[in-house]
Amino acid sequence: RKEVEQDPGPFNVPEGATVAFNCTYSNSASQSFFWYRQDCRKEPKLLMSVYSSGNEDGRFTAQLNRASQYISLLIRDSKLSDSATYLCVVLRGYNKLIFGAGTRLAVHP
Amino acid sequence: NAGVTQTPKFRVLKTGQSMTLLCAQDMNHEYMYWYRQDPGMGLRLIHYSVGEGTTAKGEVPDGYNVSRLKKQNFLLGLESAAPSQTSVYFCASSYSMDREKNIQYFGAGTRLSVL
Repeated sequence: RKEVEQDPGPFNVPEGATVAFNCTYSNSASQSFFWYRQDCRKEPKLLMSVYSSGNEDGRFTAQLNRASQYISLLIRDSKLSDSATYLCVVLRGYNKLIFGAGTRLAVHP
Repeated sequence: NAGVTQTPKFRVLKTGQSMTLLCAQDMNHEYMYWYRQDPGMGLRLIHYSVGEGTTAKGEVPDGYNVSRLKKQNFLLGLESAAPSQTSVYFCASSYSMDREKNIQYFGAGTRLSVL
């Protein structure tokens, strides 16, 4: 079993739709959580950190459920430019990021 | 505004050949990392460094060596390339390894094919 699991998708949604991605992690000692975005054939870039109380950045909302070891990312009012792969990332110990394989999102007109 | 720069961007090797991938960062970061990314899998950590002159093994270190002689550079070496090392290699650096601050900045990647 992978340490960080994500639905690979793809999620095909129209512009303006709301879409949610889920991620589960197996190491209960994990302390920090992130969502990275990776465009096709490009490098990953940090989208947002995920805090215990949940956090929002514009159209993006991240939630963490430690009891269920579950992380989510909600994108509202999807734009064509949101098309990318979204990587769920967990910090193991104090220095190792563990990456999920990613969920692909395709937003169409 | 360079950030993290990787060279080369593409390379084709024959089995048994050697090569070195270079990573350079201009953000004065202490921590640097080498990952590989394969289809259907998350990025996997090969080696990392917590400072000049130090290196440590990651999740998949076999077949690779690294060196960090200068703070800004982190080199990844393949001594005898194998087809299983065909992958996209990413270098990253971070300012801190503290919880919630371990934000890593990535280079554009090196696409390596081993025939």
